[in-house]
Amino acid sequence: GAVVSQHPSRVICKSGTSVKIECRSLDFQATTMFWYRQFPKQSLMLMATSNEGSKATYEQGVEKDKFLINHASLTLSTLTVTSAHPEDSSFYICSAFDSYEQYFGPGTRLTVT
Amino acid sequence: GENVEQHPSTLSVQEGDSAVIKCTYSDSASNYFPWYKQELGKRPQLIIDIRSNVGEKKDQRIAVTLNKTAKHFSLHITETQPEDSAVYFCAATNQAGTALIFGKGTTLSVSS
Repeated sequence: GAVVSQHPSRVICKSGTSVKIECRSLDFQATTMFWYRQFPKQSLMLMATSNEGSKATYEQGVEKDKFLINHASLTLSTLTVTSAHPEDSSFYICSAFDSYEQYFGPGTRLTVT
Repeated sequence: GENVEQHPSTLSVQEGDSAVIKCTYSDSASNYFPWYKQELGKRPQLIIDIRSNVGEKKDQRIAVTLNKTAKHFSLHITETQPEDSAVYFCAATNQAGTALIFGKGTTLSVSS
């Protein structure tokens, strides 16, 4: 099956700093990628839809100025958590659709101290 | 928008028994219903999916049924094994390439 990678897999940052997470589709082109957030023992919650060459679409309640998404190429989308706070600590997972199935990245564990 | 409800939240079975997890969805336009297994700290893994033109699909010990009229779909695992223990999520989407909406998950525990 198709492969989606994420980097980094784990990151610890101080409160107030920014963190960038990369999501790459390794063997197919993805005009659309999705970013999910998963808190412990909870489900995956869609944060935003990342569209190549255009602005991302954010779900209700997700601050677009805090979670910056850039999808500059058909294989790369980035999520930047700006001015991170401890409540942003979570598991962030991206996915990409290859016209038949969605493939998930391995996730990024963000811890904000 | 789509809303997916999943039950039960936890399920404990003995090895060899069957396990059934049920989901309902709200958007009648939804036409793709995948099931994922997620182990702690890992990405969700697709275990089976069904599209709206099919009522049932089976893959070895795993089967999924879909009732479009009632807007519900179910995951059936037969002959459960301890390695089936994980969190299972159902999801739905109404258009190819659009985001999945997930149920809240079911923690399945299979004891030997």
